[in-house]
This record gives sequence, structure tokens and C-alpha cells, in this order.
Amino acid sequence: DQQVKQNSPSLSVQEGRISILNCDYTNSMFDYFLWYKKYPAEGPTFLISISSIKDKNEDGRFTVFLNKSAKHLSLHIVPSQPGDSAVYFCAASAQGGSEKLVFGKGTKLTVNP
Amino acid sequence: AAGVIQSPRHLIKEKRETATLKCYPIPRHDTVYWYQQGPGQDPQFLISFYEKMQSDKGSIPDRFSAQQFSDYHSELNMSSLELGDSALYFCASTTYRGGGAKNIQYFGAGTRLSVL
Repeated sequence: DQQVKQNSPSLSVQEGRISILNCDYTNSMFDYFLWYKKYPAEGPTFLISISSIKDKNEDGRFTVFLNKSAKHLSLHIVPSQPGDSAVYFCAASAQGGSEKLVFGKGTKLTVNP
Repeated sequence: AAGVIQSPRHLIKEKRETATLKCYPIPRHDTVYWYQQGPGQDPQFLISFYEKMQSDKGSIPDRFSAQQFSDYHSELNMSSLELGDSALYFCASTTYRGGGAKNIQYFGAGTRLSVL
């Protein structure tokens, strides 16, 4: 049972345009959400996070939006750059416990020059 | 800034052999998580430690064991290796802040284990 779902395995955008990566979750106990970027042969690199008490968090070119009622979050990258090309993982953790992360399957973003 | 260090980066073993993966967390981080990522899959939680005590356990086979040492580094021991154990193994570290504050997990580069 996939509790965190990234339904788009891949996304291709032009440099300078907006990239929107989507993530859905099913577990109502999730209260913290993170986006990680992963290059081949490297570990996931933390990008941005959002707590369930917020609906938006911004950090430079990256903005994460959370819609709790829809159990949906999205990562916006504006403007997209070729160096953003990587696999993006959405992850969630539940309140209490060890706060282990549950990951989606990832979306491979390609930003074309 | 210092990152999470994992060793070795690559490991090739035969079936039924044993393997030990090591993880050195970011200095002053007291919590370590282990994840397994199979080919084309998402990382799956294996086990975690806080202050040298096991804090949670996921889908970790009984053939695997792990511990966190007094210097907070952690080792994942894998015995009777099977072909299906071939995967990327990531370690992540964080520091527990309590009081409802959320912790960001920082990942190492991973160990790629190939079982032949």
C-alpha cells in the first residue's frame, strides 16, 4: 500500500519555465512533508519542507504548497534551471514515533536548455 | 559543513556471505535511520536509533541487525545474503529536538550492495 504517491514518473520543462511536481498521500497521521532531490550515485538532498499547520512554504526558487483536505502537496520551481534536472522524492512523516520517512516513488525532472 | 558519511560506497558479495555497512552521522546528531532502495523503487525504512537505542523498526529481515555505538556511528550487519538484498542502502541522521519540533533527515551518499 503506497501511502505517498507521485503519479508522474517523469516531467520535462524548458529552462526558465515553472516546474510543478505533485504528490498525494493517504495517511491522515502524516504531519510533516519534505522534498528531496536526488542525483545518480548520490544520496537524497533535502530541498524544502512543510508542516501540516501551514499551507505554503517558500525558499528561493522553491515553493511547496499543501492542501490538507485533498491530501495533496506540490513543489513549484521557478524559474527552472538545467541543474535542477534530477529525481525528486516527496516524503512524509507521522506525528509521534520515530518520524521515519515514507517516500513516494519519485519524479524525474528534466529541464531542457 | 560535515555530512553523513557512509562506507563502503560499493560492496560486492556472494550469496550467503555477510556484509557490514557503516554510517557516521553529522556531528552532534543523535538519531540515525537506515533505508533500503531497490532498483527503480522508493527508499524503504529499515530501522532507526536514538541515543544508541533502537527507536523503530520497519521491514528489516531477521538476517539483518544494526546498532548505534557510543560515538553515534551506526552499523548495519547483513548475514546470509540473498540476491534480493542487492540495493542502495542509505543512512540518514538528524538531531532530536523534542517539543513537537520536526527534524530534517540528512542523507549520506549510500552504499551500493551487489549480491552475486
